[in-house]
Amino acid sequence: AQSVSQHNHHVILSEAASLELGCNYSYGGTVNLFWYVQYPGQHLQLLLKYFSGDPLVKGIKGFEAEFIKSKFSFNLRKPSVQWSDTAEYFCAVTPSNDYKLSFGAGTTVTVRA
Amino acid sequence: SAVISQKPSRDICQRGTSLTIQCQVDSQVTMMFWYRQQPGQSLTLIATANQGSEATYESGFVIDKFPISRPNLTFSTLTVSNMSPEDSSIYLCSVEARPGQGASGYEQYFGPGTRLTVT
Repeated sequence: AQSVSQHNHHVILSEAASLELGCNYSYGGTVNLFWYVQYPGQHLQLLLKYFSGDPLVKGIKGFEAEFIKSKFSFNLRKPSVQWSDTAEYFCAVTPSNDYKLSFGAGTTVTVRA
Repeated sequence: SAVISQKPSRDICQRGTSLTIQCQVDSQVTMMFWYRQQPGQSLTLIATANQGSEATYESGFVIDKFPISRPNLTFSTLTVSNMSPEDSSIYLCSVEARPGQGASGYEQYFGPGTRLTVT
């Protein structure tokens, strides 16, 4: 079974700072990769996904993620965060021929105004 | 994307009782999933529910504790039986959908969750 690790448990930033959240997975085959976000009091939303093709994917709200196959990584980035980016971020993986999502532990991002 | 609703949104229950959580989706979907998110932890898949067949449970979860129904393509229920304080969690329903014609994978959309507290 695949596993997902997120390097940071809690990140605190100031507005306009750049954000990068690490995500590594363990699975030897082809995977689909996702980042989900959960804003305070809201439900889990899909931020972006990678299925195939260009390893640099762009999502909503200015987020992007890069799939580096050799490193089994799918790090999330945003060049300039806003206070409204305060949320919990989850990386998730599923083998391409499967539907079962494996989630990382999540990273809480707090953006200070 | 799919719009998913869950009932109840939260509940406080006494140990030894059972609670049934409902999940309704606004379109027909083949696969529905139930997850648990314990306090401070990530999401863990409980089971997969396909219409017309028995749910498939993940390791550590059993049908007697978490019976699931899937009577049609837009609805499912999860029952948390004989509850104990360790069952206090957020329970989420999700559905799988292909994001567009020709897409090579599926996305999962999540409901708002049911926050269960067992005293």
